[in-house]
Amino acid sequence: DQQVKQNSPSLSVQEGRISILNCDYTNSMFDYFLWYKKYPAEGPTFLISISSIKDKNEDGRFTVFLNKSAKHLSLHIVPSQPGDSAVYFCAASEGDFGNEKLTFGTGTRLTIIP
Amino acid sequence: AAGVIQSPRHLIKEKRETATLKCYPIPRHDTVYWYQQGPGQDPQFLISFYEKMQSDKGSIPDRFSAQQFSDYHSELNMSSLELGDSALYFCASSLGSGWAEAFFGQGTRLTVV
Repeated sequence: DQQVKQNSPSLSVQEGRISILNCDYTNSMFDYFLWYKKYPAEGPTFLISISSIKDKNEDGRFTVFLNKSAKHLSLHIVPSQPGDSAVYFCAASEGDFGNEKLTFGTGTRLTIIP
Repeated sequence: AAGVIQSPRHLIKEKRETATLKCYPIPRHDTVYWYQQGPGQDPQFLISFYEKMQSDKGSIPDRFSAQQFSDYHSELNMSSLELGDSALYFCASSLGSGWAEAFFGQGTRLTVV
């Protein structure tokens, strides 16, 4: 039972354009969401997070949008750069008080075309 | 800055053998999580420890056991290895203050032949 789903296994975007990565979840107990970036042979690196009390969080070129009613979140990268090419994982937890396990999506491989 | 250290980076074992994976968290971090990522799969939560006590358990087979030691490093022991155990095993550590301040190690790639 996949509670966090990333339906696009891959995405190619021209450099300078906007990259939009999508994520859907089914568990209504999830109230904290994160995006991770992963390069080959490295562990996932935290990018940005959002609590369910917000619908948007922005950090530089990265913005995460949360639509709780649709159980959907998305990551926008503007403008996309070649260094953004990586696998992006969406993850969710029931709260973020320090001890809740993360449930990951299957990942989306983003390729930025120069 | 010190990161989460996992050893070994690569491990090849035969079926029915035993493997031990080690995780050294960032200094002062008191929480350790173990994840298993099979080929083409999402990382699956195995087990976590907080202050040397098991805090949560996920889809960890009975053949696996883990513990967190007094210096906060953690070991994942895997016995009677099966081909399906071949995966990337990640460890993450945090100060118990949330995932935004948690860091993952580079992972141990276990291959069972």
